[in-house]
Amino acid sequence: ETGVTQSPTHLIKTRGQQVTLRCSSQSGHNTVSWYQQALGQGPQFIFQYYREEENGRGNFPPRFSGLQFPNYSSELNVNALELDDSALYLCASSPVSGGYNEQFFGPGTRLTVL
Amino acid sequence: AQSVAQPEDQVNVAEGNPLTVKCTYSVSGNPYLFWYVQYPNRGLQFLLKYITGDNLVKGSYGFEAEFNKSQTSFHLKKPSALVSDSALYFCAVSHPGAPGGGNKLTFGTGTQLKVEL
Repeated sequence: ETGVTQSPTHLIKTRGQQVTLRCSSQSGHNTVSWYQQALGQGPQFIFQYYREEENGRGNFPPRFSGLQFPNYSSELNVNALELDDSALYLCASSPVSGGYNEQFFGPGTRLTVL
Repeated sequence: AQSVAQPEDQVNVAEGNPLTVKCTYSVSGNPYLFWYVQYPNRGLQFLLKYITGDNLVKGSYGFEAEFNKSQTSFHLKKPSALVSDSALYFCAVSHPGAPGGGNKLTFGTGTQLKVEL
């Protein structure tokens, strides 16, 4: 059973640029959630995808967008990067949408915005 | 809105002693409660969850947690700490009716556990 994988591991961008982060969900999982973890903070929910549709969103601006593909892998896109976007971005998958299943997290992508 | 509080930034305990990491929550209705652990430069690993039923739940690596509805708490415990338990621990809550979706996990700010010889 393959766990959740994310790419790239690290990324450095400059303010104003755009970035795409990728996530492969655990085998058999159709729900993917994305979280932003700033240094010294707990993860903050960005959004969730279930069967290729966004079905939940946290308090993040529209420049944070995503996709889920038929194989349930997912992308997080961030436009017009700001310095405060520097964080660890975590992807998590679960077998169904509903909140009662534990989510399985990937190792994260460390984004640095200069 | 749902929220989680972890009142201690750091907990220090000697190896072999019992440990407790505190968590309180606020949510409308019945919560789903989780504990995760994060090692340096790693993602979060699931430890245990409370959904319904027995208030004492047992999880991975000898950890357990007690759900207390009247005190809105879900403290993490282990009878005998190991040096290898040293890590960052997060309490999280979800709720089916939460704005943003039922799968939305709201995390606390984390508690650094340090177990010393």
